[in-house]
Amino acid sequence: QKEVEQNSGPLSVPEGAIASLNCTYSDRGSQSFFWYRQYSGKSPELIMSIYSNGDKEDGRFTAQLNKASQYVSLLIRDSQPSDSATYLCAVGSNSGYALNFGKGTSLLVTP
Amino acid sequence: EPEVTQTPSHQVTQMGQEVILRCVPISNHLYFYWYRQILGQKVEFLVSFYNNEISEKSEIFDDQFSVERPDGSNFTLKIRSTKLEDSAMYFCASRAGQGESPLHFGNGTRLTVT
Repeated sequence: QKEVEQNSGPLSVPEGAIASLNCTYSDRGSQSFFWYRQYSGKSPELIMSIYSNGDKEDGRFTAQLNKASQYVSLLIRDSQPSDSATYLCAVGSNSGYALNFGKGTSLLVTP
Repeated sequence: EPEVTQTPSHQVTQMGQEVILRCVPISNHLYFYWYRQILGQKVEFLVSFYNNEISEKSEIFDDQFSVERPDGSNFTLKIRSTKLEDSAMYFCASRAGQGESPLHFGNGTRLTVT
């Protein structure tokens, strides 16, 4: 069973703070990792992707990958109330076809 | 920006009936997917489709489900005999390639089985 684990939250942070979201995965052969954001009743939308160990920055978002620890994280700097959503970690399967999603972490940014 | 389109946005059907959910993937994408999300639960992989055949499927995708690309643009999911537990949001997605290529999702079809 290819598991992707996330803390369901809710994670509550004040506006302007850094939000830290974490994800672990079980398939050691996974090579591609994605973070999606999902607003209630809407479809997932891509925030960013990461494939190599280390950090990748895109605006206020930084993804971190550690394949040895099978761990992916997402940092959101200067959090805004509009960032309040569920954040989904998605991990590419060994086959290269499927993306397997975690249950998501609910983030609430309070003004 | 090109997008994945799904129709209908909401489908209500009676238990035991057949339903077909329709999707138009992004035009230059080669890999097509169906996912479902039961209310309050995670996004679950159903099936991937490449080169006119199923490339991978999950345990959920049993004989009641089938997929088809009837022409150059449409991609469909058929549920032969719906059950109450098939009620969910069904998302179609496409991607340009494997591996490092991200999935792009449609807005979903909410299926309600009564």
